[in-house]
Amino acid sequence: GENVEQHPSTLSVQEGDSAVIKCTYSDSASNYFPWYKQELGKRPQLIIDIRSNVGEKKDQRIAVTLNKTAKHFSLHITETQPEDSAVYFCASQYPNDYKLSFGAGTTVTVRA
Amino acid sequence: DTGVSQDPRHKITKRGQNVTFRCDPISEHNRLYWYRQTLGQGPEFLTYFQNEAQLEKSRLLSDRFSAERPKGSFSTLEIQRTEQGDSAMYLCASLRDFSYNEQFFGPGTRLTVL
Repeated sequence: GENVEQHPSTLSVQEGDSAVIKCTYSDSASNYFPWYKQELGKRPQLIIDIRSNVGEKKDQRIAVTLNKTAKHFSLHITETQPEDSAVYFCASQYPNDYKLSFGAGTTVTVRA
Repeated sequence: DTGVSQDPRHKITKRGQNVTFRCDPISEHNRLYWYRQTLGQGPEFLTYFQNEAQLEKSRLLSDRFSAERPKGSFSTLEIQRTEQGDSAMYLCASLRDFSYNEQFFGPGTRLTVL
């Protein structure tokens, strides 16, 4: 089955700095890669996603890049703010069953 | 509220008891997924339905777990003879075939087995 690895497990940044989280996946058939933000005790919320036919996508302060050849994708958050503090999960999805395989998560702390 | 809903939000039970959780997906979504999330980990796939058919079950889903979606709408997840290792957040998500790939998650049911 699919295996998604996520690094780092924790990330502390100064407010205003950038944060980068990296993920790798194992199954080349995966074609959709969402990123979720989860605050304590709450549901995962989709913040950005990318399909395998696109190399980069940006939405205001967040961006995702995908390298299909290397099977890795990254989340970039610029100009971090305290409200960006949360756990972030990457995931990959199969094209037929739409099942998601998640990384282990990155706890991001933005220091004021 | 037109989002995915789950009930109950919290459940505390004693080891050996049976528990049942319910998930109501977004009304036009024909696919429904159950995931389990333990503390400090990402959600792990348990099982999914396309309409009323259960199409896949993870090896994580032992014989004590059973899921149903009898009319292709809401789903239930039952755990029999609960064990302390079953303590986790159980998340439900739904999506509609031939739409964009996004799965919409419910708020989850947090199970604590004493």
